[in-house]
Amino acid sequence: AQSVSQHNHHVILSEAASLELGCNYSYGGTVNLFWYVQYPGQHLQLLLKYFSGDPLVKGIKGFEAEFIKSKFSFNLRKPSVQWSDTAEYFCAVNALNGNKLVFGAGTILRVKS
Amino acid sequence: DGGITQSPKYLFRKEGQNVTLSCEQNLNHDAMYWYRQDPGQGLRLIYYSQIVNDFQKGDIAEGYSVSREKKESFPLTVTSAQKNPTAFYLCASSIYGGPSYEQYFGPGTRLTVT
Repeated sequence: AQSVSQHNHHVILSEAASLELGCNYSYGGTVNLFWYVQYPGQHLQLLLKYFSGDPLVKGIKGFEAEFIKSKFSFNLRKPSVQWSDTAEYFCAVNALNGNKLVFGAGTILRVKS
Repeated sequence: DGGITQSPKYLFRKEGQNVTLSCEQNLNHDAMYWYRQDPGQGLRLIYYSQIVNDFQKGDIAEGYSVSREKKESFPLTVTSAQKNPTAFYLCASSIYGGPSYEQYFGPGTRLTVT
């Protein structure tokens, strides 16, 4: 069965610090990869996605993620975080021969102003 | 304004009672999904439906039931057989089922069973 691991459950950063959230998955076939974000009191929303092509994908609000197939990883990055980035971030994987997203446990990011 | 509506936002029930959570979408999406979110466990799929009058079990379907009589509606019933029903429940939809389509999420219903 597919599984998704997010390395840190809680991350605390100061404003302007760089962010990298780890995500590894266990499925060996072709996958679609997603990062979702849940801001306090808001709906879960898509941050970015990778289906094929350039492994470096850019999303909303200055976020990007890099797919490294050999490492089964899809880490999320942002060069300089803002207080408004405080949220919970979920990595999700969907196998191309499957019908469902598998989510990681989530990483709660708190940015101190 | 298109989107997914879940009601109510908070729901309280006594143990042993069935309870139905509502999910409605006006996005004209074919596929709909129910997830359960618990702290530190991410989202786990309960049931999904790719088309009206058809649905499949997800990873944690025991103690839950669903129906899909209309394209826009996918209610979830939490039955008394669900051993640990207190959780945050999220409904989602996508234009079609399958791995290549973004899922859009509702605001969620927080169910507390005592």
